[in-house]
Amino acid sequence: AQKITQTQPGMFVQEKEAVTLDCTYDTSDQSYGLFWYKQPSSGEMIFLIYQGSYDEQNATEGRYSLNFQKARKSANLVISASQLGDSAMYFCAMREPSNDYKLSFGAGTTVTVRA
Amino acid sequence: NAGVTQTPKFQVLKTGQSMTLQCAQDMNHEYMSWYRQDPGMGLRLIHYSVGAGITDQGEVPNGYNVSRSTTEDFPLRLLSAAPSQTSVYFCASSNSGQGGNTEAFFGQGTRLTVV
Repeated sequence: AQKITQTQPGMFVQEKEAVTLDCTYDTSDQSYGLFWYKQPSSGEMIFLIYQGSYDEQNATEGRYSLNFQKARKSANLVISASQLGDSAMYFCAMREPSNDYKLSFGAGTTVTVRA
Repeated sequence: NAGVTQTPKFQVLKTGQSMTLQCAQDMNHEYMSWYRQDPGMGLRLIHYSVGAGITDQGEVPNGYNVSRSTTEDFPLRLLSAAPSQTSVYFCASSNSGQGGNTEAFFGQGTRLTVV
């Protein structure tokens, strides 16, 4: 069964607008970690943001915020004030104890920012 | 600041050839992994290691071997390359996997083509 589901293969967003990337996950563990990574066209994997399952507040890192809805098992990434440099592939990932803390990835969402 | 160093960056192999992808990290991380990235499938775990002398299989281990003789190094061996192994390979490391909040640091990736 797919542990991480990203249903949006590709998205377009206008520069300076906000964009929300969807991520749902499947786990029976109470304690787990959720991550978002960015992969620009150059290919490297860049860590963006982390949300722990017990964190009461949604994580924020600069223009990135994570909309964590635990009951719905969703961890959507919000990028505010999009910039041309935000054009990239974005991956949602999860670590859980019952899976030996292996990092499981979704299929990714490609974001293209238009000027 | 080397972080995770992965070599080579590009490689072309003929079917049936063997080769080793090298991965080294200088952060004293216990947890190291190898992923392959294929279009539309995200990153899939090949093998991982929770410490020197300990390795285990991931989601797609067939056709690959690993060993972990030191904390720093985690080479991935392709035993007899097949066209289905054409992919981009990433090595990653993190602090102990015992804790869902550990982000993974990635190498630059190896683009492998098997002809």
